[in-house]
Amino acid sequence: QQQVKQSPQSLIVQKGGISIINCAYENTAFDYFPWYQQFPGKGPALLIAIRPDVSEKKEGRFTISFNKSAKQFSLHIMDSQPGDSATYFCAASKGRTSGSRLTFGEGTQLTVNP
Amino acid sequence: EAGVTQFPSHSVIEKGQTVTLRCDPISGHDNLYWYRRVMGKEIKFLLHFVKESKQDESGMPNNRFLAERTGGTYSTLKVQPAELEDSGVYFCASSQGLAKETQYFGPGTRLLVL
Repeated sequence: QQQVKQSPQSLIVQKGGISIINCAYENTAFDYFPWYQQFPGKGPALLIAIRPDVSEKKEGRFTISFNKSAKQFSLHIMDSQPGDSATYFCAASKGRTSGSRLTFGEGTQLTVNP
Repeated sequence: EAGVTQFPSHSVIEKGQTVTLRCDPISGHDNLYWYRRVMGKEIKFLLHFVKESKQDESGMPNNRFLAERTGGTYSTLKVQPAELEDSGVYFCASSQGLAKETQYFGPGTRLLVL
């Protein structure tokens, strides 16, 4: 049973456009929701993270929107750039009390065309 | 500061052989995690060390997998004997402590079992 579902599997956006990736989770015990960015040949790197006590977090062009009642969260990339082309993973964990093991979505391959 | 390193970067072995993967976490990080991504699916948790102790090994697929963390520093993950379904990318991650959830990932070891 997959606890974090991510969509779409792949996404093509034009430069300057908005990229939106969605995730839904099952386990209400999750209390930490990071997004990781992975470039080819590299490991995933933390991009931005949110806790369920806020509905939105913004860092530069990257924004997480969080809907606790719907158990959904999404990543918005504004003014998408070719350098943003990468695989994006949403994840969830139970945080401090449970060793912080991450449960990942399947990943979204983002391509930003120039 | 050096990041998480993994060795080898790639490994191609025959079914039935043994392979040992190594991970060197960021210096001072007590938490060390192993994850695996198989065939473009989600990244799945395998196990978690706190220093030299196994905190959670519930994600280990079977007893062909053995993980160790000598002296609370580097870790090895041995697969013996390897099966075709063990092919995938094995990631190691480390974090400073339970109060800090950010996990830093290594570049991964790409394992192909033929």
